[in-house]
Amino acid sequence: EVQLMESGGGLVQPGGSLRLSCAASGFTFNNYGMSWVRQAPGQGLEWVSTISGSGGTPNYADSVKGRFVIFRDNSKNTLYLQMNSLRAEDTAVYYCAKISVVGATTGGVDYWGQGTLVTVSS
Amino acid sequence: QLVLTQSPSASASLGASVKLTCTLSSGHSNYAIAWHQQQPEKGPRYLMKLNSDGSHSKGDGIPDRFSGSSSGAERYLTISSLQSEDEADYYCQTWGTGIQLFGGGTKLTVL
Repeated sequence: EVQLMESGGGLVQPGGSLRLSCAASGFTFNNYGMSWVRQAPGQGLEWVSTISGSGGTPNYADSVKGRFVIFRDNSKNTLYLQMNSLRAEDTAVYYCAKISVVGATTGGVDYWGQGTLVTVSS
Repeated sequence: QLVLTQSPSASASLGASVKLTCTLSSGHSNYAIAWHQQQPEKGPRYLMKLNSDGSHSKGDGIPDRFSGSSSGAERYLTISSLQSEDEADYYCQTWGTGIQLFGGGTKLTVL
């Protein structure tokens, strides 16, 4: 059974940093690209970033480019999102998501985590 | 520019059927999409991948009541025999080189 478990969310001041983690199990982690998707309160889903199974080819939404870094540790089956220079508009539930196709660097999501809430406020 | 358009809301009666639409922007009518369901206060759940020819593959445990179809740039999600737990937000998703994209979502109300 595929499981994705996010952690690391919390309250942070504007301009601060936070690192999210996503522990994965139930599939061969390094065979699949992974994404972060966020959802601001009362809003829809917004893609944030995707990384390939090998850890190369990261891609970012324009809204986070230059501030967020996605990376993974395949030895620990864990995906990360380092968030710097946080803004109030980054407040959201952040979901970890698995890409459906083996070896793809992008694609449809076929499994989601339960999400972790990040609140940026003074 | 790759864009997905969804109607903000839809409604149908308990036991009836409903067809939700996701429209791909001009020049992208051959793109596949995925449909996701988000019940109130829960995380999203993958429903299916839907190709431009209408073929689709569903996620684990998704009931036969959920089906997909395509016509040109339109991608459809049909839910038959509506149940109360189908009341949810439904999002379509697509992807291209270096990008993923979600539609704005359709809030389905089961009357």
